[in-house]
This record gives sequence, C-alpha cells and structure tokens, in this order.
Amino acid sequence: EDQVTQSPEALRLQEGESSSLNCSYTVSGLRGLFWYRQDPGKGPEFLFTLYSAGEEKEKERLKATLTKKESFLHITAPKPEDSATYLCAVQGTSGTYKYIFGTGTRLKVLA
Amino acid sequence: DAGITQSPRHKVTETGTPVTLRCHQTENHRYMYWYRQDPGHGLRLIHYSYGVKDTDKGEVSDGYSVSRSKTEDFLLTLESATSSQTSVYFCAISESGEIQYFGAGTRLSVL
Repeated sequence: EDQVTQSPEALRLQEGESSSLNCSYTVSGLRGLFWYRQDPGKGPEFLFTLYSAGEEKEKERLKATLTKKESFLHITAPKPEDSATYLCAVQGTSGTYKYIFGTGTRLKVLA
Repeated sequence: DAGITQSPRHKVTETGTPVTLRCHQTENHRYMYWYRQDPGHGLRLIHYSYGVKDTDKGEVSDGYSVSRSKTEDFLLTLESATSSQTSVYFCAISESGEIQYFGAGTRLSVL
C-alpha cells in the first residue's frame, strides 16, 4: 500500500537555526514526489517536484532532496515568514493521477 | 495567482440537506480534483476529473458525487450531508497530472 509519513509533526526553530523536515514514502513505482507549503486558512502552495533519487531543487532558503525511500526539505537560516505547514505527497506509476499526501510538518520560526 | 476559485468559502448546513460546492478555473487545465482535509489525515482525494464529463472516484468518494459539464467548472455534491462530512474541501487543477494549484478552500460545517 502506498504510504507517506512526515516527521516531525511539529518543529519550533529560532530564526537562523537551520533544520530538516523528513518525508518517508513507500510507493509501487515513483512518478514524482512533491512538496507544498500551506499557510493557515489557505490552500497548499506548490514548492518542488522531484522525480528520481539524487535529485535536488532549491528555492530561496529551501532545498529539497530525494532518495529511494525518503525526501528531506532543508531550511537554511529560516525566518519567521517561513512558518507554515509543509506537506509532502507522492504520485505512483500505477496508471492514475492520484496523490498520497502526508499529514504535514507544522513549522514555527521564532524571531 | 492561478485562476482557481472555490465557492462558497464557508458554509454551515444541517444534516440531511444537499450541498453543492463549486470550483471554477480560468487556466483551461485538463485535470481537476476535489480533496478534503481533516486533522490527523493528509489531504484525501474524493473525486477527480480528467476531462469534460470524465470523472473517477478517489479514496473517500462515498456520499459524494461530482459533475463536470465544462472545462472550467467542477462541482462537488453532498446528496445528504452528514456530520462526518464536516471538513475543509480543496479543489486543485493540473495540466499534466502534476498538481501545482489549489484553491483557497471551502470550510463546511454539518450540524
């Protein structure tokens, strides 16, 4: 069964304190792994797509990496405006366009 | 911002009443999706559409129906609302099967 597990559930960081969020997955053939940011009361906002192990993508203070079993979202020198819930999702190659979402990591960056 | 609008944004209704949520897009994307988001669960797919009049069930489709008579509109109907359908509902769109845009969500309360 396809599954996505994100850890930790919640994370509090001081401004400038770098850290990583984890997304572990099992899927029968990976079409893509996706990261989204969600602010309270809003819809998810797309950040990155990763397709194969070893791939990395960066955007401002965020860097996403992918292995065959997990993905990391590294946050370098975070700022309070990086506070949000970060969602991970996988899409398998089973012939449909269905995503499996994790429950997210709630990140709070303190000034 | 992508042209995707959900209506209504908030709704309170009573058990047993029918409810229709609307998703409207101006991006001419082929795929449209309805998800629900509940605490402790990742986003869960209710139904999706891969073209006008072409729809398929997701993992939590019981009690829901959908229709897509035009490319731009995807309707989600709860035929007889139940308290278990209290949730936040998100519409999403994609052109290639990779979801990059979500709507702002509809918060539904069934009393």
